[in-house]
Amino acid sequence: GAVVSQHPSWVICKSGTSVKIECRSLDFQATTMFWYRQFPKQSLMLMATSNEGSKATYEQGVEKDKFLINHASLTLSTLTVTSAHPEDSSFYICSARDQASGDEQYFGPGTRLTVT
Amino acid sequence: GQQLNQSPQSMFIQEGEDVSMNCTSSSIFNTWLWYKQDPGEGPVLLIALYKAGELTSNGRLTAQFGITRKDSFLNISASIPSDVGIYFCAGRINSGGSNYKLTFGKGTLLTVNP
Repeated sequence: GAVVSQHPSWVICKSGTSVKIECRSLDFQATTMFWYRQFPKQSLMLMATSNEGSKATYEQGVEKDKFLINHASLTLSTLTVTSAHPEDSSFYICSARDQASGDEQYFGPGTRLTVT
Repeated sequence: GQQLNQSPQSMFIQEGEDVSMNCTSSSIFNTWLWYKQDPGEGPVLLIALYKAGELTSNGRLTAQFGITRKDSFLNISASIPSDVGIYFCAGRINSGGSNYKLTFGKGTLLTVNP
């Protein structure tokens, strides 16, 4: 149980284009999902908290107009990187909170974004 | 944002040896968690600790929630090659106001020599 998937697993895009990353909780409902960013050899940095049916809460320094988050259902949250630039290249990881299992966060496998 | 102080930063050990790593914080957490991350993948939850002083095992892994609620340690006994990876501690304040966000340590890179 408590499986979270992400799609795509990797993506290459050109500067100026937008990329959408999906995060799904496969066997549980998640009212809260989280989006993280991880640079090589570094820890996970929380970007935003996504709550089903309401606006996402962004961490300080994260541009909400650049990183659009939508959490339209209890099993799906999406992160859209708009007008991507090479410095947006990173490993993006989502997690979903399972309220039925101690509020633990279960992580997706991550999405490697490369902007050329 | 805030990060936990996790040590050591890296460890190189021989197969069969025991390993210990710890995390400290300047603030109190209600829950401590330990995750393992393999290269190119997301973190996997190893152990969750919910009460101060709690000692919990998961196979060869043992973790404890410090009495002060500001620290936790993880021990791995009789290490094997597949233990290689990055181990992260994470602290959580359990309230709706905090959105149950996690604060992560910087990770401990474990290398096991067969």
